[in-house]
Amino acid sequence: QKEVEQNSGPLSVPEGAIASLNCTYSDRGSQSFFWYRQYSGKSPELIMSIYSNGDKEDGRFTAQLNKASQYVSLLIRDSQPSDSATYLCAVHGSGNTGKLIFGQGTTLQVKP
Amino acid sequence: DTEVTQTPKHLVMGMTNKKSLKCEQHMGHRAMYWYKQKAKKPPELMFVYSYEKLSINESVPSRFSPECPNSSLLNLHLHALQPEDSALYLCASSQTGTNQETQYFGPGTRLLVL
Repeated sequence: QKEVEQNSGPLSVPEGAIASLNCTYSDRGSQSFFWYRQYSGKSPELIMSIYSNGDKEDGRFTAQLNKASQYVSLLIRDSQPSDSATYLCAVHGSGNTGKLIFGQGTTLQVKP
Repeated sequence: DTEVTQTPKHLVMGMTNKKSLKCEQHMGHRAMYWYKQKAKKPPELMFVYSYEKLSINESVPSRFSPECPNSSLLNLHLHALQPEDSALYLCASSQTGTNQETQYFGPGTRLLVL
């Protein structure tokens, strides 16, 4: 079992729709969770961080965390073609080393 | 200012060359990271420096040699690389190198080994 799992996609949504990206993790002691966006040929850019169960909203982005189910998701409302990218879920392990464990990434395509 | 800079942007080297990648941050962070990313794969951690000391080495081959001259600078010295080492090399930094911290990535150096 991989430590952080994401569906590789591609996930295709029409412009203006809600895109839902999902991630599960195996280390029950994980405490901090991150979503990065990576455009082709570019470096990862932080979209959201979340540490507590529940929802965290920032503009069109909402991160959701359920530690009991070991599940974290990212919702993108009013998706735009410029949101087309690979979204990486990243989790800190339970040891306090700062080591980030990345999922394989989900490719999102937003079609005009 | 949440900026991490990396030089060069692109690098082509032969298998017998010696080259260095450089990374700099001015955010006052005390932890810096090197990652390697192959096409269509997630970043893989190589090294972590915390307070200028190497704290994590993910069993990286000795042809990669990291150096942290001070808290703002991180180098990766390359020697006798193989074609399979061609990848995007990413530098990142965070406050102290512990959990809960956000890691900020530089733009990367795209390396091609011939």
